[in-house]
Amino acid sequence: DAKTTQPNSMESNEEEPVHLPCNHSTISGTDYIHWYRQLPSQGPEYVIHGLTSNVNNRMASLAIAEDRKSSTLILHRATLRDAAVYYCILLAYDNYGQNFVFGPGTRLSVLP
Amino acid sequence: DTAVSQTPKYLVTQMGNDKSIKCEQNLGHDTMYWYKQDSKKFLKIMFSYNNKELIINETVPNRFSPKSPDKAHLNLHINSLELGDSAVYFCASSQDLGSYEQYFGPGTRLTVT
Repeated sequence: DAKTTQPNSMESNEEEPVHLPCNHSTISGTDYIHWYRQLPSQGPEYVIHGLTSNVNNRMASLAIAEDRKSSTLILHRATLRDAAVYYCILLAYDNYGQNFVFGPGTRLSVLP
Repeated sequence: DTAVSQTPKYLVTQMGNDKSIKCEQNLGHDTMYWYKQDSKKFLKIMFSYNNKELIINETVPNRFSPKSPDKAHLNLHINSLELGDSAVYFCASSQDLGSYEQYFGPGTRLTVT
């Protein structure tokens, strides 16, 4: 699977938008871009995924660059509960299950 | 009502022992997974099961043996525990093999002394 590069950490103020970047310059045409997050002492939690078009759901928005070599996870209004490690993962669709490999991710701190 | 549950939450044991971690999901999902999160926080797939059938075994030592008595359960048995097995183990489930949205359990922290 293609590799992703994310900043080690980011900080945000509560109730402000947060833009979490992810670079994936070697992405292939069949790779989906996935975002998960892991709150302290919990298992990862699905956030969003997309292929080419921007995506929105109740948790976040995913903005994908036109060349697909980068993407940005957008939290529209950060809350204290959003403090977590955010993982950007590339994975092509597989009939044998989606076997994610989570890298170090970005640790997001939210300041009150 | 917890969707994916694991027991125990903490497990401390000595080298050479055999131990099991249990996982149950009440979501009616077909596919279940085991992941290992090491000390560097990398989280990697170990096994995936679909309808009680093993799909993926990602080069895990054969001391690790998953067992799925039914679709809702996927247990992990580890023989002859080694120091390097110390990690946090996560169970997860998804609707089916094609689903990207996986639901993770709270994890089991295994410490081998």
